[in-house]
Amino acid sequence: GAGVSQTPSNKVTEKGKYVELRCDPISGHTALYWYRQSLGQGPEFLIYFQGTGAADDSGLPNDRFFAVRPEGSVSTLKIQRTERGDSAVYLCASSLFGGATTGELFFGEGSRLTVL
Amino acid sequence: EDKVVQSPLSLVVHEGDTVTLNCSYEVTNFRSLLWYKQEKKAPTFLFMLTSSGIEKKSGRLSSILDKKELFSILNITATQTGDSAVYLCAVVLSQGNLIFGKGTKLSVKP
Repeated sequence: GAGVSQTPSNKVTEKGKYVELRCDPISGHTALYWYRQSLGQGPEFLIYFQGTGAADDSGLPNDRFFAVRPEGSVSTLKIQRTERGDSAVYLCASSLFGGATTGELFFGEGSRLTVL
Repeated sequence: EDKVVQSPLSLVVHEGDTVTLNCSYEVTNFRSLLWYKQEKKAPTFLFMLTSSGIEKKSGRLSSILDKKELFSILNITATQTGDSAVYLCAVVLSQGNLIFGKGTKLSVKP
């Protein structure tokens, strides 16, 4: 596609439920990033993929959060047993190269998650 | 702990004013610094800075990096209402990760 696509754009769920958020990066981009942004805050790093593997997952807050990118393109962020504190906008970004040559990141419109 | 600090957190100016936004950082493996503009949802890229003292310019916006003092500034001259947004600074680490600051919310009044 022309840009980074994220679905759903909005998700309302109940505490304790399981949620999946999808990111479709720009075709050919090898690096994919997940960030979480709360109101009035900057994006908080969650995980970064280089190809199919997670190059850095140190930002995942706990073991309820997991992300995959099985074919090196689309990525899914999975949140188990959601809590109210998980409510935020989840941003996905991709770049042509990652690692030491990381340049401009292209962001999607985000998935707004609300946990009631 | 790696951190990026932006100041001020918010700023209100009138059209035509010039503003300077600040970004300081303390990181262990600096690679480059990026500036983004966030109006509603998706941040959009403004500048990438890797070398000290070289000004990047795009229209009324310009930015410069000081790797000795560990900061960058973003200047906007002759501000317009369309410049109202949150401006985000991010530092790229050698391993490829990016650390963002909290952003500066700029409001330009007519």
